[in-house]
Amino acid sequence: GDSVTQMEGPVTLSEEAFLTINCTYTATGYPSLFWYVQYPGEGLQLLLKATKADDKGSNKGFEATYRKETTSFHLEKGSVQVSDSAVYFCALRGDNNDMRFGAGTRLTVKP
Amino acid sequence: DAGVIQSPRHEVTEMGQEVTLRCKPISGHNSLFWYRQTMMRGLELLIYFNNNVPIDDSGMPEDRFSAKMPNASFSTLKIQPSEPRDSAVYFCASRLLDTQYFGPGTRLTVL
Repeated sequence: GDSVTQMEGPVTLSEEAFLTINCTYTATGYPSLFWYVQYPGEGLQLLLKATKADDKGSNKGFEATYRKETTSFHLEKGSVQVSDSAVYFCALRGDNNDMRFGAGTRLTVKP
Repeated sequence: DAGVIQSPRHEVTEMGQEVTLRCKPISGHNSLFWYRQTMMRGLELLIYFNNNVPIDDSGMPEDRFSAKMPNASFSTLKIQPSEPRDSAVYFCASRLLDTQYFGPGTRLTVL
């Protein structure tokens, strides 16, 4: 079945460092891909999404490109801030409308 | 837009007691999801509804768990009897097109 694999955390960075969180997927058909973010004590919030190959989702300085050839959707940000500290979830929605979430990657940004 | 509303936000109960969690989805969204999040198991899909009809309840851990959606604006997740291993954060989410919107969650502690 469809699945998502994302890099294990935790990830600890200094402020203004470059961030990459890897995400790869397995799916039949043409899934939509998502990154969600969960701040402490809150529910998941949609960060960005891409619905077809080569689409780039972007929001709040974060970007991810839907790469069908490598079945990847890596999350990147050029300069992280302390306020970006959160847990990040990669997810896909397959042709059967089921949503699959990765295990989550905890990011801590230190001043 | 008030977003997905969940109540209560926190629940502490004793083993053997009945627990009812409530969710009000965003108006106009026709799919509703219940998730459970724990440190050990991450985010697990318990059940989801389309147009108030349960579609997939394969994630419901056992018969102690039940969920209903009597109308488009309300859903409940009931645990009876509750056990300490049910302690977790329970999230409700509703979906429009291919994007899920999460509520703030209910933190359940079973003593």
